[in-house]
Order: sequence, then C-alpha cells, then structure tokens
Amino acid sequence: AQKVTQAQTEISVVEKEDVTLDCVYETRDTTYYLFWYKQPPSGELVFLIRRNSFDEQNEISGRYSWNFQKSTSSFNFTITASQVVDSAVYFCALTSEGSYIPTFGRGTSLIVHP
Amino acid sequence: GAGVSQSPRYKVAKRGQDVALRCDPISGHVSLFWYQQALGQGPEFLTYFQNEAQLDKSGLPSDRFFAERPEGSVSTLKIQRTQQEDSAVYLCASSNAYPNTEAFFGQGTRLTVV
Repeated sequence: AQKVTQAQTEISVVEKEDVTLDCVYETRDTTYYLFWYKQPPSGELVFLIRRNSFDEQNEISGRYSWNFQKSTSSFNFTITASQVVDSAVYFCALTSEGSYIPTFGRGTSLIVHP
Repeated sequence: GAGVSQSPRYKVAKRGQDVALRCDPISGHVSLFWYQQALGQGPEFLTYFQNEAQLDKSGLPSDRFFAERPEGSVSTLKIQRTQQEDSAVYLCASSNAYPNTEAFFGQGTRLTVV
C-alpha cells in the first residue's frame, strides 16, 4: 500500500521568511514518482515538480527547492524568502509502477503574512 | 481552451437529486482522472480513463457514482440520488501519459447537497 504523510497541517510565516514543507512517503515499489502540487484559492492544483525514484539530485527552481532523500523516504519542499503569493495549500503525491493510482497527502496550508 | 475545464463550477443539489459533472480535458490527453476532495483533505482517487476505456473505478464510493468518457475526450461524472456525504469538490485531471508525467487539473466543481 502507498501512503503520503504531510504532518504539518498549517504553517504561518511572515514574508521573506524561509519555510520547509515536509513530505514522507511509503511504497513497496522500487520505481516510483513523487510530485508537489500547489492549490491556490481558485481551486485547481498546479504542478510544481516531479521526481523519479532513481534521481536523488536536489533541485532548485528560483525560490523553490526540493530535497529528496530515499534513506528517510522524504521529499521536502523549501520556499526561500516567502511571498504573500505563495499562500496556498501544497500537496505531495506519489505514484508507482506497481500502482498508478496517485496517492495524495492531506496537504499543508501555507499562510504568508505581509 | 488551453487547460482542463470543468462545469459547473458550483452545484447545489437537493438530497435525492441526480447530478452530472462535466470535464473537458486538454486536447490530445489520453489519461483522465476524477478525484473527490473533501474540505481540508487531499484529493481522493475516484476513477481513471485511458481514452474511452475506464481502466479503474475502484475509488467510486458507491454504485450511485458513474463516470463515462464515450469518445475519449469529454468525461461526465454522474451521481444518482445524492446524499449529504457527497458534498465535496470534484476535480478532474488529464495527462498525456501516466504515471511518470504530471497531471493538469481543472478548477473543480463544488457540490453541495442540501
């Protein structure tokens, strides 16, 4: 069975602070894919990143960075110098070769105050 | 349009009424998913189509839920004899391959059963 845990329900920060959103996953498959999505108040989930299980390189995209560590089954997401526009619910998700049905975490609501 | 379109955006139904929710995926995308998202939760898988074939409907909560995609493009999720517990946001997503590519989501239909 697959599982994604986002233990942080809500995080509140002040603009320009750095913030890390945690994601821990469980799967028995050796080939799997991890995703992060952003859900702004408008409702649609917006794709941010995809990682496959064979690529543990960390990635940086502007103010966003992701830390994938297979040893701890974690795929954490860091926003540097947060902005009010970053306020949204962020979801971590998992699919695998053995189960293409995507499993989402419960989401972390990020509130960035001006 | 360029993205996934869902209609209606909001639907209020009286308990016992039948409803139909529409999804227009991105043109050419073979994979289409329906999800149910309760307030404060992550999306929960309902069903998956590859072209017109419904390959997985294991997430449909009861036999009151029915989905179709007869020509491999537009999809309709039908809920018969709606109950209050059906109140949720219903999200549609499409992708051009799965599971190793990202899915593109619509804004969802918020269903309220009164």
